[in-house]
Amino acid sequence: GDKVKQSPSALSLQEGTNSALRCNFSIAATTVQWFLQNPRGSLMNLFYLVPGTKENGRLKSAFDSKESYSTLHIRDAQLEDSGTYFCAAEADSNYQLIWGSGTKLIIKP
Amino acid sequence: EAAVTQSPRSKVAVTGGKVTLSCHQTNNHDYMYWYRQDTGHGLRLIHYSYVADSTEKGDIPDGYKASRPSQENFSLILELASLSQTAVYFCASSESQISNERLFFGHGTKLSVL
Repeated sequence: GDKVKQSPSALSLQEGTNSALRCNFSIAATTVQWFLQNPRGSLMNLFYLVPGTKENGRLKSAFDSKESYSTLHIRDAQLEDSGTYFCAAEADSNYQLIWGSGTKLIIKP
Repeated sequence: EAAVTQSPRSKVAVTGGKVTLSCHQTNNHDYMYWYRQDTGHGLRLIHYSYVADSTEKGDIPDGYKASRPSQENFSLILELASLSQTAVYFCASSESQISNERLFFGHGTKLSVL
């Protein structure tokens, strides 16, 4: 099965609403990264997390290594938040990342 | 489950030397991509390809060449490696156009240029 499982796989929201994306890990993740992929393929790093939480504007992310999950909360969703969100976990303190399958988010006006 | 395999897993190269990173996918995908990630930053697209024997420039193609000799294989070539090219490189594939399809990533290649 997937070592990094993202949910939901797709999500459609009205502008101004809130959402929560989740990654569950079946590996001993030590760090987690969240990315947003734009339509051209470039990925923008949103958060790099050790266990704990980080907040940046309307985005907030948490990583609980003991319970093996991470979440990404988007508050007051805007049209430009549309795209595919990936989480990726690093295990065993090496540089290699294990990627989730992504959540495709569509924000509607 | 699609498999994207990168080799080598890590490499140390000397400045001015030639480096070739290889990527192999077994899922019959048309699209393949090379990204680099610098510490603390997101991935940036270097080159991509949607058909064998053809490659396209991404966001940061300078200093890199790409080769797609077959549907399964996509290589990234640094003809004259430089210190600034020290990074982790990720290969990915997708069935069709990137905005519509899930990306399958390799585990990454750590390149250190000394």
